[in-house]
Amino acid sequence: EVQLVESGGVVVQPGGSLRLSCAASGFTFDDYTMHWVRQAPGKGLEWVSLISWDGGSTYYADSVKGRFTISRDNSKNSLYLQMNSLRTEDTALYYCAKGASSGYWIFDYWGQGTLVTVSS
Amino acid sequence: DIQMTQSPSTLSASVGDRVTITCRASQSISSWLAWYQQKPGKAPKLLIYKASSLESGVPSRFSGSGSGTEFTLTISSLQPDDFATYYCQQYNTQGTFGQGTKVEIK
Repeated sequence: EVQLVESGGVVVQPGGSLRLSCAASGFTFDDYTMHWVRQAPGKGLEWVSLISWDGGSTYYADSVKGRFTISRDNSKNSLYLQMNSLRTEDTALYYCAKGASSGYWIFDYWGQGTLVTVSS
Repeated sequence: DIQMTQSPSTLSASVGDRVTITCRASQSISSWLAWYQQKPGKAPKLLIYKASSLESGVPSRFSGSGSGTEFTLTISSLQPDDFATYYCQQYNTQGTFGQGTKVEIK
């Protein structure tokens, strides 16, 4: 059974930094592209970042480019999101999502999310 | 950037109704479209990909159609478990979601 478990979400002040983690199990982690997708309270879904199976390619939404860094450790079946220069508009539930075999931009499994609140 | 617009934003329906949700792209995305279902407090669930391909395990009452810029998600006979919010997502260029359609009980 595929499981994705996010952690690291806390309350942080504007301008602060945070690192999110996602522990993956139930599939061959290093075969798949992985993503972070976020959802502000009461709002819709926003794709945040992608990392290829080997970490060699990364992509970011314009809203986070230059502030967030996605990475992975295939030896630990783990995905990360380093978040710097946080803004109030980054407040959201952050989901870790697996890219599908049918298309790596399709999200076929999701974690339950970790809540990041940016507030003074 | 490709913008995705769903309609309606909210839909009131009864069990057994046929329900259709529309998703329009700001430019052609061929068939690179997925649909997700999200229930309150839960993560989204993939329903359909490549506009009309049903994800494994998803009931056959869900179907998708369309290509280019206009797409539809149809639920042939609404069941109690289907009251949720539905999102389309284009993946022609990165991944952009529509704003969501909430299907509520009439």
